Amino acid sequence: DVKVTQSSRYLVKRTGEKVFLECVQDMDHENMFWYRQDPGLGLRLIYFSYDVKMKEKGDIPEGYSVSREKKERFSLILESASTNQTSMYLCASRPPTGEGTEAFFGQGTRLTVV
Amino acid sequence: GNSVTQMEGPVTLSEEAFLTINCTYTATGYPSLFWYVQYPGEGLQLLLKATKADDKGSNKGFEATYRKETTSFHLEKGSVQVSDSAVYFCALRSNDYKLSFGAGTTVTVRA
Repeated sequence: DVKVTQSSRYLVKRTGEKVFLECVQDMDHENMFWYRQDPGLGLRLIYFSYDVKMKEKGDIPEGYSVSREKKERFSLILESASTNQTSMYLCASRPPTGEGTEAFFGQGTRLTVV
Repeated sequence: GNSVTQMEGPVTLSEEAFLTINCTYTATGYPSLFWYVQYPGEGLQLLLKATKADDKGSNKGFEATYRKETTSFHLEKGSVQVSDSAVYFCALRSNDYKLSFGAGTTVTVRA
């Protein structure tokens, strides 16, 4: 079974802190994604990566950055956390592009910024 | 750009009732279509998918047919169970890397 593991289920951070969310997948997938999930808005793509050291902005990259130093690990960084970044964050991975290739999701990290 | 519109919830049903969640999309090219499900406290998992027009995806008693003429991919189940209580997301992937998701529909099934 594919496994996508996010390092924390719940995090509470203070405004202005630098926050790291870690994601590891064990299936050698090229593509990895970070989404945030908010009620009524569904999932919105923050950043994605299609290879080591490669990254692309998604639909809402402002206030975030990412790092992909190894194929299996994709980190989301909040440089200076703000209260409007309180959300559920979901990591996903997927094999190379092909018709119908599904994405596999981690269990999510619920981040609260106070 | 690509977008997905799905029926707003929440939806509350009794056990053995019929469930339909509407999903329509806007996309360039020929997208692949998906339904994902999120059970309480968990991440998303794929429920079913369809990759071309008139394909029917099915799993766990759920079905959805890819209708190109109406740009729709409605999810149906004939007899729901309490264990089907979850949030359901319609999604599409077109000719790039990204999945575009609908807003999600919360379904609660009562015994």
